[in-house]
Amino acid sequence: EVQLVESGGGLVQPGGSLRLSCAASGFTFSSYEMNWVRQAPGKGLEWVSYISSSGSTIYYADSVKGRFTISRDNAKNSLYLQMNSLRAEDTAVYYCARDRIQFDAFDIWGQGTMVTVSS
Amino acid sequence: EIVMTQSPATLSVSPGERATLSCRASQSVSSNLAWYQQKPGQAPRLLIYGASTRATGIPARFSGSGSGTEFTLTISSLQSEDFAVYYCQQYNNWPPNTFGQGTKLEIK
Repeated sequence: EVQLVESGGGLVQPGGSLRLSCAASGFTFSSYEMNWVRQAPGKGLEWVSYISSSGSTIYYADSVKGRFTISRDNAKNSLYLQMNSLRAEDTAVYYCARDRIQFDAFDIWGQGTMVTVSS
Repeated sequence: EIVMTQSPATLSVSPGERATLSCRASQSVSSNLAWYQQKPGQAPRLLIYGASTRATGIPARFSGSGSGTEFTLTISSLQSEDFAVYYCQQYNNWPPNTFGQGTKLEIK
C-alpha cells in the first residue's frame, strides 16, 4: 500500500524549533518530488515547501523562507521539515504530499501532524 | 503569485442532485488545475488533475472542465459521502503553487 506517515508534531513555545518527519512506503520514494502543505485550524490549504527527487532543487513559501528547511533521505525513504523560529501563525496541521509527476498535482497525502506554537 | 478564487463559499444541495463548483485563476494556468476533496479530520484527496482527468479510483460522477482561468467541478448525482470541502489548486506557475479558499458542500 502506498502510504505517507508524518510524525514529530507537538506543542512548542514561540521562537522554538521542531523537526517533522514523513515516512514513505509502498512506492519508490527516490523517484518522486515531495512537498509539505499546512492547514491552520479551520482554514484552507497552504503549500509550504518542495524538494526534488534528488534533493537538489528546493523551494519555500515566502511565509517560511529562512526559518524552515526541507530535506530528504532516500536511503531511509524519509522526508523532513526542520522548523525554527516558530511563530503562533505557524500553528497548523502539516501534511507531506507526493507530486504525481514533477511539478504536478499532489496524488498521495499523509494523515498530517499537528504543530501548536503557544506559550 | 496566482490567486485562486472559489465560489460559492458554501453550497447546499440535496442528495441525488447535481452540484457545480467554480474556481477562477487570476491569470491563465492552462489546464494545470487540480481538485481535492477533504472530509473533517482527514487529509485532502486528489479527485481531478489536468483540469479534467479523474485520479485513480475516483467515481465517474466527478468531472472537471475548463482551461485558462475558469474551471468547474461537477458532481452529477450527490451521494452522502460527497459532502465535504473541495479545493482547487493551480500548478502551472510555481513556486508557489496555490490553492483556492475552498467550497463547503453541505446537505440541503
